[in-house]
Amino acid sequence: SQQGEEDPQALSIQEGENATMNCSYKTSINNLQWYRQNSGRGLVHLILIRSNEREKHSGRLRVTLDTSKKSSSLLITASRAADTASYFCATDNTGGFKTIFGAGTRLFVKA
Amino acid sequence: NAGVMQNPRHLVRRRGQEARLRCSPMKGHSHVYWYRQLPEEGLKFMVYLQKENIIDESGMPKERFSAEFPKEGPSILRIQQVVRGDSAAYFCASSPGTLGQETQYFGPGTRLLVL
Repeated sequence: SQQGEEDPQALSIQEGENATMNCSYKTSINNLQWYRQNSGRGLVHLILIRSNEREKHSGRLRVTLDTSKKSSSLLITASRAADTASYFCATDNTGGFKTIFGAGTRLFVKA
Repeated sequence: NAGVMQNPRHLVRRRGQEARLRCSPMKGHSHVYWYRQLPEEGLKFMVYLQKENIIDESGMPKERFSAEFPKEGPSILRIQQVVRGDSAAYFCASSPGTLGQETQYFGPGTRLLVL
């Protein structure tokens, strides 16, 4: 099956530091999305980047997309303890209907 | 505009019973997706529905699982004769279904525990 794969699987940083998470995928995509999930809660959509875009910003979030390498990165700048969560990338593949999720990166931000 | 609603939030069933999970999409959304999340794992796509139609059920187990999205009312994910391995969080998401609006909005999930 084709899935986005995030790395690292887990990341622990100090408050104020930047956190970078990466996602790789296998097929052509229409867009790539990042979601956050707090423990025991539903997913929250963070940002969507289309296949013809290379970079997108939203507040402290910066997402890049490299379709030649089939990879994306999510950068959270000046992290806060409240950023502690799991972060998932998801891809909408061309020719398909479903969104494919990776296993997620668990981010822990220490105060 | 209320978000995606799922109920119940928690469901406990004994092996062999049936589980019914409900999802009410956001107002104006005609597309619904169901995902399953096992403990410590990512989400796995199960099924994609539009009103009265199943568009893609390639992620659904062949037996015991079914889904519907009737013209009126919520989408239902039904699991018959539940087994312990069905214990998971089940998330529903909805989208408007119009070109250029692919973002899926997720509900809070239903946590199913099979004893």
